[in-house]
Amino acid sequence: KNEVEQSPQNLTAQEGEFITINCSYSVGISALHWLQQHPGGGIVSLFMLSSGKKKHGRLIATINIQEKHSSLHITASHPRDSAVYICAISLAEYGNKLVFGAGTILRVKS
Amino acid sequence: DAGITQSPRHKVTETGTPVTLRCHQTENHRYMYWYRQDPGHGLRLIHYSYGVKDTDKGEVSDGYSVSRSKTEDFLLTLESATSSQTSVYFCAIGPSPYEQYFGPGTRLTVT
Repeated sequence: KNEVEQSPQNLTAQEGEFITINCSYSVGISALHWLQQHPGGGIVSLFMLSSGKKKHGRLIATINIQEKHSSLHITASHPRDSAVYICAISLAEYGNKLVFGAGTILRVKS
Repeated sequence: DAGITQSPRHKVTETGTPVTLRCHQTENHRYMYWYRQDPGHGLRLIHYSYGVKDTDKGEVSDGYSVSRSKTEDFLLTLESATSSQTSVYFCAIGPSPYEQYFGPGTRLTVT
């Protein structure tokens, strides 16, 4: 079973490109998280969403609760955006603990 | 950034030895978690705590125990380390069950 599916698994982009990473889930959630992990590094929480859209700098996260789908967009991508992006959901019936997707490996080339 | 530290950051140990990893927070958050991260598996919950002396198992708890005797510290113990426990271990904290902030990770190698 995999309640959280991310696509693509791997993504290579040229600097400056607009990037979209998708996350689909199959159950009702209380919140959805986007996390970033640089190679060999720690995990940073980017967004927590329960509806609509959030923006922070060049990052935009959207969620469609009815379609059980979320997207993470990166505008004007830069090599420093190269990282693994992880989608995670909070399930009310699981005590709101997080269930993680497998991650999307993003490489931005200069 | 949430005030969360993990120690040690790197450890190499031999099979059969006990190992304790420490997670320390300065945020006074109620919830604390231990995860392991392995290639092909992503992050998996080992144990979590919802208050001092209140802990529960996650999906991969076999071979691990935890203790939380005060709000700021959450200890993860491998009673007798095995090679399958070679992994990167992340602690997370949060004021509520669905809001979590992650520590820097501990890389553990069991030889």
